[in-house]
Amino acid sequence: AQSVAQPEDQVNVAEGNPLTVKCTYSVSGNPYLFWYVQYPNRGLQFLLKYITGDNLVKGSYGFEAEFNKSQTSFHLKKPSALVSDSALYFCAVRPPGATNKLIFGTGTLLAVQP
Amino acid sequence: NAGVMQNPRHLVRRRGQEARLRCSPMKGHSHVYWYRQLPEEGLKFMVYLQKENIIDESGMPKERFSAEFPKEGPSILRIQQVVRGDSAAYFCASSPGGSNTGELFFGEGSRLTVL
Repeated sequence: AQSVAQPEDQVNVAEGNPLTVKCTYSVSGNPYLFWYVQYPNRGLQFLLKYITGDNLVKGSYGFEAEFNKSQTSFHLKKPSALVSDSALYFCAVRPPGATNKLIFGTGTLLAVQP
Repeated sequence: NAGVMQNPRHLVRRRGQEARLRCSPMKGHSHVYWYRQLPEEGLKFMVYLQKENIIDESGMPKERFSAEFPKEGPSILRIQQVVRGDSAAYFCASSPGGSNTGELFFGEGSRLTVL
């Protein structure tokens, strides 16, 4: 079955330190990969996506993600975390040839301490 | 350029009542998707619609739930005879028609509470 896994329910990091939020997927072929962020009581905001090309994708707010086909991973990263980055982060995949719907992971809560 | 508009933002219903959630896609978008977010869970796909057509309803519960996207007006997600387990945040997303790279644009959500 096609799925997305975010193995960490929560990630804690100190402000100024680098952060990584992990995502792996189980989809045959070459899927499209996405990261979204959700602030409390708000909708999801698009951060970045990987379609093809360079494995390192840069997105909004200084975030980037690295696509690793052999490990079927798409980890979200940022060199220096801000307190304002604290939010719920969702990884999503669109399987190849599928309708436009996205399959989401369960989300990782990022907590950045001052 | 207005984003995806959902209303109501908050809805309270008693068990057995009906809930209607509305979604107006972004201007120029003809594809609408509904997702449900339960507490402590991720987003679960429910249904994908184009104007006057249901494209994929593989995530819709078999009973009590229905969705439409008429030629004119917003998309509507309808839940009949609500139960407490229906309490959740319901998100609508839209995308342009035709071939695209899959990015969805989300509304702020409608939060349903069933008493």
